[in-house]
Amino acid sequence: DQQVKQNSPSLSVQEGRISILNCDYTNSMFDYFLWYKKYPAEGPTFLISISSIKDKNEDGRFTVFLNKSAKHLSLHIVPSQPGDSAVYFCAASDNQAGTALIFGKGTTLSVSS
Amino acid sequence: EAGVTQFPSHSVIEKGQTVTLRCDPISGHDNLYWYRRVMGKEIKFLLHFVKESKQDESGMPNNRFLAERTGGTYSTLKVQPAELEDSGVYFCASSHFMLGYNEQFFGPGTRLTVL
Repeated sequence: DQQVKQNSPSLSVQEGRISILNCDYTNSMFDYFLWYKKYPAEGPTFLISISSIKDKNEDGRFTVFLNKSAKHLSLHIVPSQPGDSAVYFCAASDNQAGTALIFGKGTTLSVSS
Repeated sequence: EAGVTQFPSHSVIEKGQTVTLRCDPISGHDNLYWYRRVMGKEIKFLLHFVKESKQDESGMPNNRFLAERTGGTYSTLKVQPAELEDSGVYFCASSHFMLGYNEQFFGPGTRLTVL
């Protein structure tokens, strides 16, 4: 039973446009959410996180939005660049200090020039 | 600052053999985690050390898997005897212990193939 779901296995976007990656969760105990990017043959790289006390966190081209009532979060990348092409994983944990991360299956983003 | 390192990068063994994976966390990180990704599925938690103590081993599949972190520095994950379903990529991650913070930094992974 998946607690973190990324329902879109893939997404294709043109360079310069916005990429929106979505993630849904079922466990209401989750209160910390993270996005990771993964290139082939490498480990996941931390991108951005958000605590449940916020509904938005921004870092450069990356913004994460959290809708707690819908148990939904999204990652916006603006503008998208070809180097952003990778697998993006959504992850959640039930507190903010050192517990296990629960991952979704990932969304493969392809940004074409 | 060096990142999380893992050794070996690849391992191919036969069913019934033993394999030991090693992880060196980022210096100063008390938290060390092992995760596994099987056949393009989600990355799944195996266990969590705080320093040398096992904090949570709820994700360990069975008693063929043994993890250690002697001295609270590097960690090893031994699979004995290996089965076909153990094939996958084993990731190690580390983090500081800090309230309000749960960013974990991952190593490149060890790809294990059991034939």
